[in-house]
Amino acid sequence: AQSVTQPDIHITVSEGASLELRCNYSYGATPYLFWYVQSPGQGLQLLLKYFSGDTLVQGIKGFEAEFKRSQSSFNLRKPSVHWSDAAEYFCAVIDYKLSFGAGTTVTVRA
Amino acid sequence: DTGVSQNPRHKITKRGQNVTFRCDPISEHNRLYWYRQTLGQGPEFLTYFQNEAQLEKSRLLSDRFSAERPKGSFSTLEIQRTEQGDSAMYLCASSLTGGPRDEQFFGPGTRLTVL
Repeated sequence: AQSVTQPDIHITVSEGASLELRCNYSYGATPYLFWYVQSPGQGLQLLLKYFSGDTLVQGIKGFEAEFKRSQSSFNLRKPSVHWSDAAEYFCAVIDYKLSFGAGTTVTVRA
Repeated sequence: DTGVSQNPRHKITKRGQNVTFRCDPISEHNRLYWYRQTLGQGPEFLTYFQNEAQLEKSRLLSDRFSAERPKGSFSTLEIQRTEQGDSAMYLCASSLTGGPRDEQFFGPGTRLTVL
């Protein structure tokens, strides 16, 4: 079965600093991968997705992710974090249903 | 189109009581999913519908859980004889056709607390 692992439970970053969240997938073929963000009291919002083709994917809110088959990774990045980026971030893989990682909580300090 | 809506947003109940949640998907979306999210975890798949047909139920969905989607529109998730372990956020999502490239749009969730 397909699965994803998010190794970091919690990350603290200063406002204006760069952010990278790690995601490792387990699947033999090319997976369909997603990053979602969940803010307190809000539903899950799709940031970006990867199906095939260009391995660098641009998303909303200034986020990007890079698919690396050699490392079985799909890491999320943002060059300069804003206080509003404080949230929980989930990596997910899909066959017909989504399978999520455990999430990474991002805290932004002033 | 106001997105996926869920009601109620919060439900507090006593152990042993029955509860029912409702999900209204985006209109014309054929696929509807239910997920459960416990504290500190990512959402876990419970079940899904293609129109009115329930096509799969996770092993997480015990006999006390039942879901319906009459007429392929809104869906309900009922939990009978609730237990404290049922306390979680219950999320509903819908997609247009259900293909893996179809974005699943999530509702805000129903937070259940079982006392």
